[in-house]
Amino acid sequence: DAKTTQPTSMDCAEGRAANLPCNHSTISGNEYVYWYRQIHSQGPQYIIHGLKNNETNEMASLIITEDRKSSTLILPHATLRDTAVYYCIVRASYGQNFVFGPGTRLSVLP
Amino acid sequence: DVKVTQSSRYLVKRTGEKVFLECVQDMDHENMFWYRQDPGLGLRLIYFSYDVKMKEKGDIPEGYSVSREKKERFSLILESASTNQTSMYLCASSTADSGYNSPLHFGNGTRLTVT
Repeated sequence: DAKTTQPTSMDCAEGRAANLPCNHSTISGNEYVYWYRQIHSQGPQYIIHGLKNNETNEMASLIITEDRKSSTLILPHATLRDTAVYYCIVRASYGQNFVFGPGTRLSVLP
Repeated sequence: DVKVTQSSRYLVKRTGEKVFLECVQDMDHENMFWYRQDPGLGLRLIYFSYDVKMKEKGDIPEGYSVSREKKERFSLILESASTNQTSMYLCASSTADSGYNSPLHFGNGTRLTVT
């Protein structure tokens, strides 16, 4: 499985955009980038995923660099309820396993 | 919305007891998974299943077994609970329709304490 590297923690002001980076320099051509988040005492929540193109849904945008070696998750208008641990995962193309690393702890501050 | 329901949020069992953790999904997903989550170790895959009566070992299957008699239900069994199985257990499901382009959807977890 390709490994991912994320900052341990980040802060963001409420109402501002939160930009969470992820490095995945060993990603293979057919591996997808997935983002999840986990709010304390709950199960991980799926946010978004993509292969090459940028993706947007009602929760967030995913920007993948042209060489696919890194990506950024953007929460356009962060709220206090977005405080969580955010996981960037590159999914193995040969199996179903999702490998969760330590993630980024995002704190949205009032 | 996909709903993955785990039968208990909190469970306390004694060492040596047989423990059943139940998970039900309502989206007709083919794939179901059991993970455990521990501080500093992240999520680790215990078992998964691609179909009814099918099961595959994950990364840490020792001390666990699973049962999938119906498509919507995936049970994790601790044959003889031990204190090192105290953990948060997470069930997840996904569709097989899109191959690898298919996100996992998680339940809210069962926090098991073995005393």
